[in-house]
Amino acid sequence: TQLLEQSPQFLSIQEGENLTVYCNSSSVFSSLQWYRQEPGEGPVLLVTVVTGGEVKKLKRLTFQFGDARKDSSLHITAAQPGDTGLYLCAGTDYKLSFGAGTTVTVRA
Amino acid sequence: KAGVTQTPRYLIKTRGQQVTLSCSPISGHRSVSWYQQTPGQGLQFLFEYFSETQRNKGNFPGRFSGRQFSNSRSEMNVSTLELGDSALYLCASSLSPGTSYEQYFGPGTRLTVT
Repeated sequence: TQLLEQSPQFLSIQEGENLTVYCNSSSVFSSLQWYRQEPGEGPVLLVTVVTGGEVKKLKRLTFQFGDARKDSSLHITAAQPGDTGLYLCAGTDYKLSFGAGTTVTVRA
Repeated sequence: KAGVTQTPRYLIKTRGQQVTLSCSPISGHRSVSWYQQTPGQGLQFLFEYFSETQRNKGNFPGRFSGRQFSNSRSEMNVSTLELGDSALYLCASSLSPGTSYEQYFGPGTRLTVT
């Protein structure tokens, strides 16, 4: 059973559209991380959110951490084909506990 | 600076055999963690090594084992392979154990058990 539930499982959009990926936890983690994984590669850390209610922006990516620190979202504005990949959220304690991931495809 | 390297990148084994996978961490990183990634279960933590000692272990059977050498390089071994062991095995290195420091993942070893 996944401690972290991600939705949707798959997302296919046209270049220029916006998208949001959700991550919901049954537990409170000390922090939550978002990764992107491309085929044939390992996950790459995008951001770490620590404080409830925190919002972090990374160019066209906006990350939010819920007030209760049990849910998070990733919003991409004006998606580009280079944003294609598997997006993973992970809760941190002594190890990383990953959600199942959201496969995002951005069509040119 | 070179990233995390894993060898081999691809491996095909038969049920009942054993396999050893290798991970070389980023220079200066002393902690290595191993994860198994499958379509059904996603990424799951196997174990973490620091200073040649296993610090934490995930919920995997004893067929899965690992070790770390004095130069921080790590190996994991799977004995008596089962079809369900087919997966992408990822290692991640960090400066210190736990998750306070960023973990950098290697490209993984794709293991296929037939």
